[in-house]
Amino acid sequence: QLQLQESGSGLVKPLQTLSLSCAVSGGSVGKNDYSWNWIRQPPGKALEWIGYIYDVGNTYYNPSLNSRVTISLDKSKNLFSLNLTSVTAADTAVYFCARGSWLYSFFDSWGQGALVTVSS
Amino acid sequence: QSALTQPASVSGSPGQSITFSCTGTSSDVGGYDYVSWYQQHPGEAPKLITYGVSKRPSGVSNRFSGSKSGNTASLTISGLQTEDEAHYYCSSYTSSATLIFGGGTKLTVL
Repeated sequence: QLQLQESGSGLVKPLQTLSLSCAVSGGSVGKNDYSWNWIRQPPGKALEWIGYIYDVGNTYYNPSLNSRVTISLDKSKNLFSLNLTSVTAADTAVYFCARGSWLYSFFDSWGQGALVTVSS
Repeated sequence: QSALTQPASVSGSPGQSITFSCTGTSSDVGGYDYVSWYQQHPGEAPKLITYGVSKRPSGVSNRFSGSKSGNTASLTISGLQTEDEAHYYCSSYTSSATLIFGGGTKLTVL
């Protein structure tokens, strides 16, 4: 059974870089059968898709975040990561990692989520 | 990209049927049969309810059904139960090869 687990700093200062990793077990991020996604949810607000990666170097990002986002893949550690630069309080959210299916483009497995707070 | 449009809240009584709407454009909902719906209880990760407009993953009750007409997708829950009280989000693939969510609908079971 596939499991995803987010990890990283829960508190980030304004204008610094938010960094999170998603460890995958029960499946391989190296296979191109799926996309590997980051999604976030500010407190009390809706879900927002951040972006996805498949294989090394193939990424698509939400246009509203495109200039600040980088998603990378580490096949040797079976994980994928999110970097979001120049953060502000508006980036405070629960960040979820999720596996995406190519066929029909849906998210079938999710991590439990990691709260990241941007504050000085 | 703008979020898909969902009503903020819907309510119903146990046993009733209710329908959520999710409106997009021809570049997302209307252009592809790649609409999915997610159920989210407070403090939990979202759970996939339907995908490909009307397909259900194994283990999801057949009380949940999806459909689409033009640029609007819908999720219907029949035989409403108290445990159905949650937020519901739609999602769609877009012509830019990105994904987009709706603003979410809070379902209250009275």
